[in-house]
Amino acid sequence: AQSVTQPDIHITVSEGASLELRCNYSYGATPYLFWYVQSPGQGLQLLLKYFSGDTLVQGIKGFEAEFKRSQSSFNLRKPSVHWSDAAEYFCAVGAPNYGQNFVFGPGTRLSVLP
Amino acid sequence: DTAVSQTPKYLVTQMGNDKSIKCEQNLGHDTMYWYKQDSKKFLKIMFSYNNKELIINETVPNRFSPKSPDKAHLNLHINSLELGDSAVYFCASSLDSSGTQYFGPGTRLLVL
Repeated sequence: AQSVTQPDIHITVSEGASLELRCNYSYGATPYLFWYVQSPGQGLQLLLKYFSGDTLVQGIKGFEAEFKRSQSSFNLRKPSVHWSDAAEYFCAVGAPNYGQNFVFGPGTRLSVLP
Repeated sequence: DTAVSQTPKYLVTQMGNDKSIKCEQNLGHDTMYWYKQDSKKFLKIMFSYNNKELIINETVPNRFSPKSPDKAHLNLHINSLELGDSAVYFCASSLDSSGTQYFGPGTRLLVL
């Protein structure tokens, strides 16, 4: 079964600074990888996904993520953080016919200083 | 138009009661899901439902039962509510069992 770890529970950055949120997964084959964002009191919104092909994936709101098979990682990056990016970020891993095998990481809470 | 909607948004009830949460998707998706998010924000899948095939997470108590009147709806019924059921419940849908999942806004359940 898959598993996902997000080593950082809480990260604080200043507005305008760069951001990297870490995600590591465990899966026997090439997984499907996702990043979702959850704003306070809101549902989850898909930021980006990786199924195959180019390992650098572009998403919405200026986010990107890079799949590194050798490191079993799928880290999320943004070159310049905006105050509105403050939220909870979840990495998730799935597989073909995942259904029950779609697993979320524990989340990383991002705070943005003015 | 809201892609995945849930009602109610908030639900406060007493222990022992039975309650239902409704979910509807207008995306034409074949697969729907229910997740539970606990107080620590941890998300755990409860059920997935695809073409009348229900897959149950074995850790979910049988007090929880999903009901799908049609492909666009997957409701969650909970019997004999307990304090530990307090959480946010998210509905999601995907085109098929391999597709990206789209989430509803969540239902915040508080059991007193």
